Amino acid sequence: QLQLQESGPGLVKPSETLSLTCTVSGASIGSSSYYWGWIRQPPGKGLEWIGSIYSSGTTYYNPSRKSRVTMSVDTSKNQFSLKVRSVTAADTAVYFCARHLRPDGFDYWGQGNLVTVSS
Amino acid sequence: QSALTQPASVSGSPGQSITISCTGTSSDVGGYNLVSWYQQHPGKAPKLMIYEGSKRPSGVSNRFSGSKSANTASLTISGLQAEDESHYYCCSFAGASTWVFGGGTKLTVL
Repeated sequence: QLQLQESGPGLVKPSETLSLTCTVSGASIGSSSYYWGWIRQPPGKGLEWIGSIYSSGTTYYNPSRKSRVTMSVDTSKNQFSLKVRSVTAADTAVYFCARHLRPDGFDYWGQGNLVTVSS
Repeated sequence: QSALTQPASVSGSPGQSITISCTGTSSDVGGYNLVSWYQQHPGKAPKLMIYEGSKRPSGVSNRFSGSKSANTASLTISGLQAEDESHYYCCSFAGASTWVFGGGTKLTVL
């Protein structure tokens, strides 16, 4: 059974960089033909696609977030990661990682990691 | 890239059918048959209910169905049950390898 698990700090200071990692178990990212994505959800609000990455490192980003976001993949650890630079309170959200059935939706999700931006 | 438009809330009684709409443009919903729907209970991760507009993943009840007309996709839940009370989100491919979600709809089972 495929499982995804986000990990990272729950509190980040304004202007710093938010870093999260998603560990995949039950399947190999490197030998998979799927993409892997990040989606976030501010408290009490809707979902927002942040970006997706393939095992080769090919990335696709939400145009409105592209200037501050970087995704990477480590197939040896079966993980992929997200960095958001220069965070503000508006970046406070639950961050989900998911398997991306590109060009369609997302079928397996992690449980989510709440990140609060505050000094 | 703007969020897809969903009604903030819908409601129905047990046994009834309800439909949740998801309106976009010809650049997203109307341009591709790539709309997915998600159910999200409070504090939980979203669950994929419909993909490619009308296909159900294994294990999803056939009470859930999806369709599309022009720039509007719809999720219909028939034989409404108490456990269906949740938030529902649509998502569409928006071209140029980008994806956009709807604002979400809260379904209340009366």
